[in-house]
Amino acid sequence: EVQLVESGGVVVQPGGSLRLSCAASGFTFDDYAMHWVRQAPGKGLEWVSLITWDGGSTYYADSVKGRFTISRDNSKNSLDLQMNSLRVEDTALYYCACLDGGGFYIYWGQGTLVTVSS
Amino acid sequence: QSVLTQPPSVSEAPGQRVTISCTGGSFNIGAGYDVHWYQQVPGTAPKLLIYGNINRPSGVPDRFSGSKSGTSASLAITGLQAEDEADYYCQSYDSSLSGSVFGSGTKVTVL
Repeated sequence: EVQLVESGGVVVQPGGSLRLSCAASGFTFDDYAMHWVRQAPGKGLEWVSLITWDGGSTYYADSVKGRFTISRDNSKNSLDLQMNSLRVEDTALYYCACLDGGGFYIYWGQGTLVTVSS
Repeated sequence: QSVLTQPPSVSEAPGQRVTISCTGGSFNIGAGYDVHWYQQVPGTAPKLLIYGNINRPSGVPDRFSGSKSGTSASLAITGLQAEDEADYYCQSYDSSLSGSVFGSGTKVTVL
């Protein structure tokens, strides 16, 4: 059974830092690019970041560029998102998702909630 | 503000047909990138509904169908059922952003 399990979401103050993790199982992790997608409360889906299968390339949405860093460890089937200089508008449910070669998200986690508030 | 535009809501009686549009631009749908659709029931993760513009994953009823033309795509639901009440999102790739883009989302209500 495929599983993506996110963790690390907490309440943090503006300007603070946080590291999210995603543990993958049930599929060949290093066959796929991995993404983070977020959803603010009551809002739509927003792409955040992606990392290629080998970790060789990373890309970010303009809203998080320079503040967030995506990384992966294929030996541990894990994906991370280091989030610095957090803002109130970063408050969201953060999903890790697996991108099929066809460009669609084939697997999703259940999300971890990040709340940025003073 | 989402790169791909969808109507905020659509509603119809059970058994009827609804369509949801997804309008993009020259760096995403208009550039030839595929459009994919997801269904999200509140409180759950999105579920893949249509991939590659027109294809249904195993287990998705054939009441759901997708199409694409120019800078737009559409999702149609025929024989609407109560269980189809959910939020629906389109998704594609945008070459100017080097990443995925999502639609603004459409809430489907079964009257």
